[in-house]
Amino acid sequence: EAGVAQSPRYKIIEKRQSVAFWCNPISGHATLYWYQQILGQGPKLLIQFQNNGVVDDSQLPKDRFSAERLKGVDSTLKIQPAKLEDSAVYLCASSLGSILAGGETQYFGPGTRLLVL
Amino acid sequence: DAKTTQPNSMESNEEEPVHLPCNHSTISGTDYIHWYRQLPSQGPEYVIHGLTSNVNNRMASLAIAEDRKSSTLILHRATLRDAAVYYCILVLYNFNKFYFGSGTKLNVKP
Repeated sequence: EAGVAQSPRYKIIEKRQSVAFWCNPISGHATLYWYQQILGQGPKLLIQFQNNGVVDDSQLPKDRFSAERLKGVDSTLKIQPAKLEDSAVYLCASSLGSILAGGETQYFGPGTRLLVL
Repeated sequence: DAKTTQPNSMESNEEEPVHLPCNHSTISGTDYIHWYRQLPSQGPEYVIHGLTSNVNNRMASLAIAEDRKSSTLILHRATLRDAAVYYCILVLYNFNKFYFGSGTKLNVKP
């Protein structure tokens, strides 16, 4: 079974530029999560989708970050414009149902490492 | 307001058991406890989860205190491949939220 795919793996941009990340979850997984992980910290949930609807985006900086999940499968996360403090690893994860139900397992992709100069 | 508290780091010898603690004093009866680990330069991977009773799987055991305010992840025989950051996650059912802790970096010495 293929895992969660993410691209690109690495990205270097200058501040005020735009960047987009792509995630392909495990086939059949209804729930998709985007996390931001700053060096030395635990992952922080940015947004959670259930199929193509948003369950939680309370920690997404909506003035510069946006995310969509087309047809309830693939997802893109965009930053526009980027700031220095956006330098982090962006992780995508998926699960069959929502972890909020209690017993669901999340499967993580390898992440995209973003450096903003 | 941290939902879970973990030691920053721990050290273990290879082939010995490791007990990784997590405090979650604000837990309620419907909140699940999950553990994930993250190897260097990889995404986190699932280890184990539980609600009230102790749990075992091929990777580890999870011991949950009787009052559920703390739990312990047990690796029965640590190997060098177990060196990772271990995260304790509290899934708050009533608030529809879940939180990663800051994690414990486990170092395994040969």
